[in-house]
Amino acid sequence: ETGVTQTPRHLVMGMTNKKSLKCEQHLGHNAMYWYKQSAKKPLELMFVYSLEERVENNSVPSRFSPECPNSSHLFLHLHTLQPEDSALYLCASSQRLAGGPTDTQYFGPGTRLTVL
Amino acid sequence: GQNIDQPTEMTATEGAIVQINCTYQTSGFNGLFWYQQHAGEAPTFLSYNVLDGLEEKGRFSSFLSRSKGYSYLLLKELQMKDSASYLCAVVDSNYQLIWGAGTKLIIKP
Repeated sequence: ETGVTQTPRHLVMGMTNKKSLKCEQHLGHNAMYWYKQSAKKPLELMFVYSLEERVENNSVPSRFSPECPNSSHLFLHLHTLQPEDSALYLCASSQRLAGGPTDTQYFGPGTRLTVL
Repeated sequence: GQNIDQPTEMTATEGAIVQINCTYQTSGFNGLFWYQQHAGEAPTFLSYNVLDGLEEKGRFSSFLSRSKGYSYLLLKELQMKDSASYLCAVVDSNYQLIWGAGTKLIIKP
């Protein structure tokens, strides 16, 4: 496996379900990100981890719970979601947090989430 | 507030040239990225500009004017595979990426 992988690619869940999204990066990067992408809207940054420590939480509802057990893996735990949470959830990684050219973010293919 | 503006959708013809504009108003500036995203796929890095001027990379070029808060992505010799969304993102003074909503580019034969 190369780059950034995400599983599952598609997920349909009811509002009472609990599920988890998984992201793995094979690039040796130190920073990882969760984004939400809704149609015709800018990417919304949800969580940022640097060296496994959470450094950013952009007022995300508590029904989304991130976990970063090591620098290669990132999880997003989901529970009691709402239909408006249906979106594409993208994971990304970068060498560092700073925004220079060497800190380009590399994205996984995303998980298409549908909440019924 | 911080704002990135891009056209929602553009249409161009195969073999032609298209320019996708991006204007930004952010708290500080530490660089600007362009990404390409095909439907159902991951965004992929295209270019990075931090100094004024034109950066050329094959068929794609990116231009930046910091004084005008403006960038464009120029795509030459368009191919059908260039049909995708193009995302502009600015690095602000806190080194956070501020994203535009993306421009959907449709290429017609």
